[in-house]
Amino acid sequence: ETGVTQTPRHLVMGMTNKKSLKCEQHLGHNAMYWYKQSAKKPLELMFVYSLEERVENNSVPSRFSPECPNSSHLFLHLHTLQPEDSALYLCASSQDPSRGADTQYFGPGTRLTVL
Amino acid sequence: AQSVAQPEDQVNVAEGNPLTVKCTYSVSGNPYLFWYVQYPNRGLQFLLKYITGDNLVKGSYGFEAEFNKSQTSFHLKKPSALVSDSALYFCAVRDNAYNAGNNRKLIWGLGTSLAVNP
Repeated sequence: ETGVTQTPRHLVMGMTNKKSLKCEQHLGHNAMYWYKQSAKKPLELMFVYSLEERVENNSVPSRFSPECPNSSHLFLHLHTLQPEDSALYLCASSQDPSRGADTQYFGPGTRLTVL
Repeated sequence: AQSVAQPEDQVNVAEGNPLTVKCTYSVSGNPYLFWYVQYPNRGLQFLLKYITGDNLVKGSYGFEAEFNKSQTSFHLKKPSALVSDSALYFCAVRDNAYNAGNNRKLIWGLGTSLAVNP
């Protein structure tokens, strides 16, 4: 899993904290994604960046704020989260999201717990 | 509406036996189909995908999947299961219909937990 890395791997935060998740891809891809994975639910696509422009934002609450400074790095800034936001947050990258056959490659995820 | 169904929450198989993890889908156009595996405390790893051509697709770790257009299925198979294959398996589909526009999101199944018993 050295192709896509995520830090931290685990994060515990209170509802008033501000924290950031970091993702880095070493695959030379042009697109990056944030997903939320909760038990018994399908993977939820949160944000998509293509060539550092946000191309998709799936009605995610404003307490989640993405940032993509370049095609290799992606951040998810968190503030005033709720306990129901506890989940595994997965980052992925791909070559070209406009191509239907494009394969996404995932990082190991950050396990977030909101107290 | 586009959807993916993995009808089994859990599949149990003895080591050395063949395994099948089922997936059916619904899209308006032609599908691109994917299988991913997730080991405990890890991210999703790409196994294989169907784009076009031969209905039998071979992937990583000895897995293969067969695309069946008439049954709208893409079942994952392996001839001889290993204990190390125990993991969560996800099927996903993307609609390649022209009218899908820019909405080329992957639609994910809920996952199937595979347990291979020694």
